[in-house]
Amino acid sequence: GQNIDQPTEMTATEGAIVQINCTYQTSGFNGLFWYQQHAGEAPTFLSYNVLDGLEEKGRFSSFLSRSKGYSYLLLKELQMKDSASYLCAVLDSNYQLIWGAGTKLIIKP
Amino acid sequence: SQTIHQWPATLVQPVGSPLSLECTVEGTSNPNLYWYRQAAGRGLQLLFYSVGIGQISSEVPQNLSASRPQDRQFILSSKKLLLSDSGFYLCAWRAEEAEAGELFFGEGSRLTVL
Repeated sequence: GQNIDQPTEMTATEGAIVQINCTYQTSGFNGLFWYQQHAGEAPTFLSYNVLDGLEEKGRFSSFLSRSKGYSYLLLKELQMKDSASYLCAVLDSNYQLIWGAGTKLIIKP
Repeated sequence: SQTIHQWPATLVQPVGSPLSLECTVEGTSNPNLYWYRQAAGRGLQLLFYSVGIGQISSEVPQNLSASRPQDRQFILSSKKLLLSDSGFYLCAWRAEEAEAGELFFGEGSRLTVL
């Protein structure tokens, strides 16, 4: 079966750095997405990785290792508005998205 | 620019009543359209997707149905709601040519079945 694993919940302090991990086992791979979802709202796109390595976009970076079936989202200089759920999703061989359950990130002052 | 809207935002319905959620995309042609359901603590579950007018693929057998009467309109329906249909429903679109493109989501519809 296809499986995406990410921690259920993480807590971090304002101004700090946090890394949210995602491991996957899917039938084929055509890229990995990270989305941010604030409570009660729709997910919004953060990043897309299809090649190994680190993609940096402002305070957010996303890393991919296809051989390890592993990705992480790195958030720097955390702000209170970063409190949200972060969803990892993989495009399988049929270009269908397989979603993780999401990681709820709690930011404390 | 492209926009996506879905409504209603919130719905409280009794068991056995019908359902109709509507989604409309503007600013693009022939998008791929999706209906997802999100339950607490679980990943997004794909319910239906459509690559064109009248073309619907169902991912999960259940008492829900979908229709695409126009290129940029996608409707989720049920004739008789069950308690288990409660959840957060999301409509999304992706450009036809962008197999690996990002999904753009509507605002979501919170359905509570009592």
